[in-house]
Amino acid sequence: RKEVEQDPGPFNVPEGATVAFNCTYSNSASQSFFWYRQDCRKEPKLLMSVYSSGNEDGRFTAQLNRASQYISLLIRDSKLSDSATYLCVVKPPNTGNQFYFGTGTSLTVIP
Amino acid sequence: DAGVTQSPTHLIKTRGQHVTLRCSPISGHKSVSWYQQVLGQGPQFIFQYYEKEERGRGNFPDRFSARQFPNYSSELNVNALLLGDSALYLCASNVRVGTYEQYFGPGTRLTVT
Repeated sequence: RKEVEQDPGPFNVPEGATVAFNCTYSNSASQSFFWYRQDCRKEPKLLMSVYSSGNEDGRFTAQLNRASQYISLLIRDSKLSDSATYLCVVKPPNTGNQFYFGTGTSLTVIP
Repeated sequence: DAGVTQSPTHLIKTRGQHVTLRCSPISGHKSVSWYQQVLGQGPQFIFQYYEKEERGRGNFPDRFSARQFPNYSSELNVNALLLGDSALYLCASNVRVGTYEQYFGPGTRLTVT
């Protein structure tokens, strides 16, 4: 079983729409979670960390559900500039400093 | 402030050759990690170095090796290249082991023919 699994999409949504991505992780003892954004042929960039209580940054909201072992990212009022691949990242315990990335979910926002 | 830098940007090698990729972390960052990203997949962890010591190793063969220098820059070496080594190689830095927010460089795109 993969450490981190994501629906690869693609998600095609109109401008202004709300879209949500989910990511599941296999190690229930994992403590650190992140969402990264990756534009085509560019490096991943940290979008936000995911805290146990959930956190919000402008139009972006990240939530963690430990019981079900999934992380979500909600994007409200989608902009054309939100088009990218969104990567879910998990750091399980006792793995040194190894981070596990999902395969990414592709989002295209359509005018 | 300069971000993470990597060189070269692109590289084409043939099977059986070796390659050295270089990375300079953000100023003040002492930890460097290397990732391999095959097209259509997420980055896969190869190594992490901190204070010149290996602190983590992913599931990669011994053909992959790395080191970190006193100025915290790092090299990733891959010997006996295979076609399957074709990928984007990403370097990430963070301040120290235990801080998990990583910042990636632009990557080196390696093509093995």
